[in-house]
Amino acid sequence: EVQLVESGGGLVQPGRSLRLSCAAAGFTFSDYTMYWVRQAPGKGLEWVSGITWNSADKGYSESVRGRVTISRDNAENRLYLEMNSLRVEDTALYYCAKAGAGFLDSWGQGTLVTVSS
Amino acid sequence: EIVMTQSPATLSVSPGERATLSCRASQSIRSNLAWYQQKPGQAPRLFIYEASTRATGIPARFSGSGSGTEFTLTISSLQSEDFAVYYCQQYNNWQTFGQGTKVEVK
Repeated sequence: EVQLVESGGGLVQPGRSLRLSCAAAGFTFSDYTMYWVRQAPGKGLEWVSGITWNSADKGYSESVRGRVTISRDNAENRLYLEMNSLRVEDTALYYCAKAGAGFLDSWGQGTLVTVSS
Repeated sequence: EIVMTQSPATLSVSPGERATLSCRASQSIRSNLAWYQQKPGQAPRLFIYEASTRATGIPARFSGSGSGTEFTLTISSLQSEDFAVYYCQQYNNWQTFGQGTKVEVK
C-alpha cells in the first residue's frame, strides 16, 4: 500500500523560510515523478511543484517560482519542498502526491503551513 | 501556463439524477486530463485519467470524455456518496487544476 506522510508545516512569519518533507513507502520511490499540491483554506487545489524520478527536471508554478525549491532523496525515499520568502498567501495545506504518468494516483494527508505575523 | 476552466461552479442535483460537469483547457492537452473527487477533510482521490479511464475501484456510473480542449465528467445516477467537489487537472505540461465543481443535493 502506498503511503505518503508529509511533515514540516507550522506557523511562520512572513518573509521566513520553511522546509516540508514527505516520507514515501509502499512503492519504488525512485521510479516516479513526485509533486507538491496545495490548498488554501476553503479554496481549490493548486499545483506547486514537481520533480522527475532522477531530479533531472523540475517544474514550478508561477506563484512560487524563484521562492521555492523541490528536491528528493531516493536513497531515503523522501521528497522535500524548501520555501523561502513566505507570504500570507502561501498559507495552505500542502499535499505530497505520486504521479502515475502525470496524473496523481496517490496523495498524502497534507501538512498545514500558516504564514502570519 | 495552461488555464483550466470548470463549469458550473456549483451543480444542484437530486439523488438518482444525471450530473454533467465540464472542463475546458486554454490550449490543447490531447487526452492528458484527470478528474479528482474531494470530500471535506479528505485528500483528493483520483477518479478518471487519460480523459476517460476510470481509476481502480471507481464505479461505472462515472464516465469521462473529450480530448483537445473540451472535457466532460458524467455521473449517470447520483448516489449519496457522490456529493463532493470535483476537480479537473491537465498533465500535458506539468500540471494545472480547474477551480472545481461542487455537486450538491438539490
